[in-house]
Amino acid sequence: AQSVTQPDIHITVSEGASLELRCNYSYGATPYLFWYVQSPGQGLQLLLKYFSGDTLVQGIKGFEAEFKRSQSSFNLRKPSVHWSDAAEYFCAVGALSGSARQLTFGSGTQLTVLP
Amino acid sequence: SAVISQKPSRDICQRGTSLTIQCQVDSQVTMMFWYRQQPGQSLTLIATANQGSEATYESGFVIDKFPISRPNLTFSTLTVSNMSPEDSSIYLCSAETGSGSEAFFGQGTRLTVV
Repeated sequence: AQSVTQPDIHITVSEGASLELRCNYSYGATPYLFWYVQSPGQGLQLLLKYFSGDTLVQGIKGFEAEFKRSQSSFNLRKPSVHWSDAAEYFCAVGALSGSARQLTFGSGTQLTVLP
Repeated sequence: SAVISQKPSRDICQRGTSLTIQCQVDSQVTMMFWYRQQPGQSLTLIATANQGSEATYESGFVIDKFPISRPNLTFSTLTVSNMSPEDSSIYLCSAETGSGSEAFFGQGTRLTVV
């Protein structure tokens, strides 16, 4: 069965600083990988996804992530954080189950942005 | 893309009662999913809602507790039955438009059982 680990429960950065959120996955085949963001009281919004091809993927809001198969990682990065980026971030791996793809989520990383 | 609307957005319910959550998608989708997000926790898949057949439940979730309907390609409901305080969670509906596509999420239903 697939699993996702987000080792950082809470990260605090200053506005304008760079950001890296870690994600490690376990899956027996080539994974589909996702990063979602959840603002308070909101649903999940997809930031970016990796299915195949270029291992560096660009997403919305200036985010990017790099798939490293050798490290089973899919870390999320942003060069300069904005106050509006404060939210909870979830990494997920998608696994095919019959005709559906089921998402397994990590435990999430809460991002606080200091002014 | 797909826009997903969930109703109600929040509710406070008495233990022992049931609540039905509605999920409406603005386009036809192949797969719909229901997740639970307990306070301070990540998302856990409850079941996959299949159009025209019974839902497929994940380990730890049963149809008697979480009956699901999927009458067409744009709508699904999740009922939380015989509620207890442990059912207090956010319940999220998700939809996938086709193999290889992303999953879209509703804004969630915040349920509090007292």
